[in-house]
Amino acid sequence: GAGVSQSPSNKVTEKGKDVELRCDPISGHTALYWYRQSLGQGLEFLIYFQGNSAPDKSGLPSDRFSAERTGGSVSTLTIQRTQQEDSAVYLCASSPSTGNQPMNTEAFFGQGTRLTVV
Amino acid sequence: AQSVTQLDSQVPVFEEAPVELRCNYSSSVSVYLFWYVQYPNQGLQLLLKYLSGSTLVKGINGFEAEFNKSQTSFHLRKPSVHISDTAEYFCAVRPLSAGAQKLVFGQGTRLTINP
Repeated sequence: GAGVSQSPSNKVTEKGKDVELRCDPISGHTALYWYRQSLGQGLEFLIYFQGNSAPDKSGLPSDRFSAERTGGSVSTLTIQRTQQEDSAVYLCASSPSTGNQPMNTEAFFGQGTRLTVV
Repeated sequence: AQSVTQLDSQVPVFEEAPVELRCNYSSSVSVYLFWYVQYPNQGLQLLLKYLSGSTLVKGINGFEAEFNKSQTSFHLRKPSVHISDTAEYFCAVRPLSAGAQKLVFGQGTRLTINP
């Protein structure tokens, strides 16, 4: 497709279960971001991938959270042993590149996955 | 490290009135600046961006923003709002320097337009 695709769009899970959220970035985009949007909390940075470089994991809130990006394309965000405070909308974005190239600075966002932990 | 502060969490205005959404940032290096908009039940989309050159930037839907380096601000304005402008607006920055860099967002401002 033409845009960033995330699946599932909605996920309800029981506390303690593991979940996987998927992101298909725009083809050819080398940068991929995960953010979390909680009610009234704005956009919280989670993790960032850029090409073959080591990801910036500085925003992951705990070791229950992990993410990988296979083949420089699709990314999966995994939350283990989910807690109720993990309930949020998880947003993925991709960008053509980073660095000091003004043409490539825009990030394109997916529609998000709404995660509800009950 | 960078940080972004959106000074108003909610801004209610009447239709056809002007509006300004405030954004201040902190950074030890030069940055690119962005405003994103999130309409109800939709994803984020780019409204406008400042990369270099003229400090007054025009975006979609009649919005504009002015970069003020001395005040480290990038306030968003529209001279006359419409009901359809009801949305959440996010200010963001990203460093100019090459390498792995992330977008840092503010907390968002919810703009509500009343008839």
